[in-house]
Amino acid sequence: AQTVTQSQPEMSVQEAETVTLSCTYDTSENNYYLFWYKQPPSRQMILVIRQEAYKQQNATENRFSVNFQKAAKSFSLKISDSQLGDTAMYFCALGGGTSYGKLTFGQGTILTVHP
Amino acid sequence: DAGITQSPRHKVTETGTPVTLRCHQTENHRYMYWYRQDPGHGLRLIHYSYGVKDTDKGEVSDGYSVSRSKTEDFLLTLESATSSQTSVYFCAISPTVSGTGSSYEQYFGPGTRLTVT
Repeated sequence: AQTVTQSQPEMSVQEAETVTLSCTYDTSENNYYLFWYKQPPSRQMILVIRQEAYKQQNATENRFSVNFQKAAKSFSLKISDSQLGDTAMYFCALGGGTSYGKLTFGQGTILTVHP
Repeated sequence: DAGITQSPRHKVTETGTPVTLRCHQTENHRYMYWYRQDPGHGLRLIHYSYGVKDTDKGEVSDGYSVSRSKTEDFLLTLESATSSQTSVYFCAISPTVSGTGSSYEQYFGPGTRLTVT
């Protein structure tokens, strides 16, 4: 069974600062993918960034980057130059292998960006 | 915009009544999923489909059934709604999950808030 754990229920950051959200996972698959999704108050689930497990290079999308530590099964999200629009619930998710594309989600971290 | 709609967007129903939620996609993707979102649990998979008339159970399938008679529609039915099924329900699609170019990311509909009283 796959598991995803987000140990930070809530976090806050000042506008323009950097914040890191933590995620750990467990899987027996060799070929898997990791994702961060953002859910703003509108409730829409938005894909922020993805990481293929076979790639050593950490993924980056504009102000969002990940620190993927495969041996430690850790997948953290760093948001640089935080903006008020980054205020949302963030979910870490794990998928791939033989799972028909099913995703396993963490419990979520509520991030609040303060002006 | 991944071309996914859900209907209804909000529904209030009474315990014991049947409820059907509809997910419609315009992308012609093979894989579709139903999740429920509850505080402290993130999103949990209810059922998924890997083709027309091909469905299987997810993590929290008890009390739910699904049907997929067309590629574009995936229906979730609560045969006899209970208060424990009060939740936000999300449908998702995945472009590719195997072979060259597989990516596994999913794109979500806007969600349906269901309240069972």
